[in-house]
Amino acid sequence: EPEVTQTPSHQVTQMGQEVILRCVPISNHLYFYWYRQILGQKVEFLVSFYNNEISEKSEIFDDQFSVERPDGSNFTLKIRSTKLEDSAMYFCASKGDGLMNTEAFFGQGTRLTVV
Amino acid sequence: GDSVTQMEGPVTLSEEAFLTINCTYTATGYPSLFWYVQYPGEGLQLLLKATKADDKGSNKGFEATYRKETTSFHLEKGSVQVSDSAVYFCALRASSNTGKLIFGQGTTLQVKP
Repeated sequence: EPEVTQTPSHQVTQMGQEVILRCVPISNHLYFYWYRQILGQKVEFLVSFYNNEISEKSEIFDDQFSVERPDGSNFTLKIRSTKLEDSAMYFCASKGDGLMNTEAFFGQGTRLTVV
Repeated sequence: GDSVTQMEGPVTLSEEAFLTINCTYTATGYPSLFWYVQYPGEGLQLLLKATKADDKGSNKGFEATYRKETTSFHLEKGSVQVSDSAVYFCALRASSNTGKLIFGQGTTLQVKP
């Protein structure tokens, strides 16, 4: 069964460092998303990406964040200068054609710890 | 804006007990509604969904009915198992045109043998 894969599963970084979280969506999917879940809190939408551009972003997704689909298969989330409050589980998701009629598939998540 | 509210957890049940996890929503338009499950150490998996009023989603013995009049989508299972222990998230697909999901805060279910 096709799946969304994320790497690494756990990343520890020092405050102020840049991190790149990587995702390989399901191959024929067209819509891509990043969500995050701070420990003990709800899953929050960060950004959606379609047709090689951001289609929607939340207030959380400020100038420190960026997304890219560099090679047609990977989908990355970059945090330029990490803060302690960026520590969270980050989930990538992808969705096929038919915006309203197909489900989103989620990866296993990357746990980011900023120290 | 659109939002989802779930009952607070944790919920602790004995095996074979009846489960209800309440979920209510606020949304403009006609959202689709979902339940996702997160087993320990794993990602989010779609459990069931309903796309219009009065639809019933079902999977693995779990059911939820889309009730527009009460803006609810409560999750039920007649007889839980230890393997159902997980975190359950209610979500709606927002009225925006990007397909983003808005999640509730999650409810932890622990089933004891």
